[in-house]
Amino acid sequence: QVQLLQSGPGLVKPSQTLSLTCAISGDSVSDNDVSWDWIRQSPSRGLEWLGRTYYRSRWFYDYAESVRNRMTISPDTSRNNLLLELISVTPEDTALYYCVRGYSHGMDVWGQGTAVTVSS
Amino acid sequence: IVMTQSPLSLPVTPGEPASISCRSSQSLLHSNGYNFLSWYLQKPGQSPQLLIYLGSNRASGVPDRFSGSGSGTDFTLKISRVVAEDVGVYYCMQVLQIPFTFGPGTKVDIK
Repeated sequence: QVQLLQSGPGLVKPSQTLSLTCAISGDSVSDNDVSWDWIRQSPSRGLEWLGRTYYRSRWFYDYAESVRNRMTISPDTSRNNLLLELISVTPEDTALYYCVRGYSHGMDVWGQGTAVTVSS
Repeated sequence: IVMTQSPLSLPVTPGEPASISCRSSQSLLHSNGYNFLSWYLQKPGQSPQLLIYLGSNRASGVPDRFSGSGSGTDFTLKISRVVAEDVGVYYCMQVLQIPFTFGPGTKVDIK
């Protein structure tokens, strides 16, 4: 049974960096058949796909244009974790962030979500 | 790709059928013959859960009262007989083109 356990701060100051960790159990971050995605949800923007990484003999990365210049998704193979880093945050980055597994073109496993508020 | 849904609110009667429509601004039909469209249910206070993938395939553990149909730009999620646990917000999502995008959601509640 695949489980995703998210951790990270709930409050980040404007212009600082948001860092979230997703601990993967029951699967490998290097699994050749899946992707590991980050999705966020806010009242103003609804569900917004942010980006993904996946391993197919080498690592691939895709990002939404809205966060491309500020976001980095990283696999941590030693700990079997997925990491998200978002720099220069603003109040518009306030949202519930989800770590998600993509499989067979569906997002089949979701983390519990991490509520992040950007405020001074 | 812009995703739209209708209705945005759907009061339902237990035991009765329900239907949600999803439309995409571009065709989601891949050259492999599959539609890259999935459906999710977000129950109150929970993370979204996958119901349907590739347009019409039920995810593991999803009751057979849920079905997905459609092709190209027009898709439908049907619940054959609604039960109380089906309340929540239903979303469609396209996974054909980066960035993947979601519909605005359809809130289903009991009349």
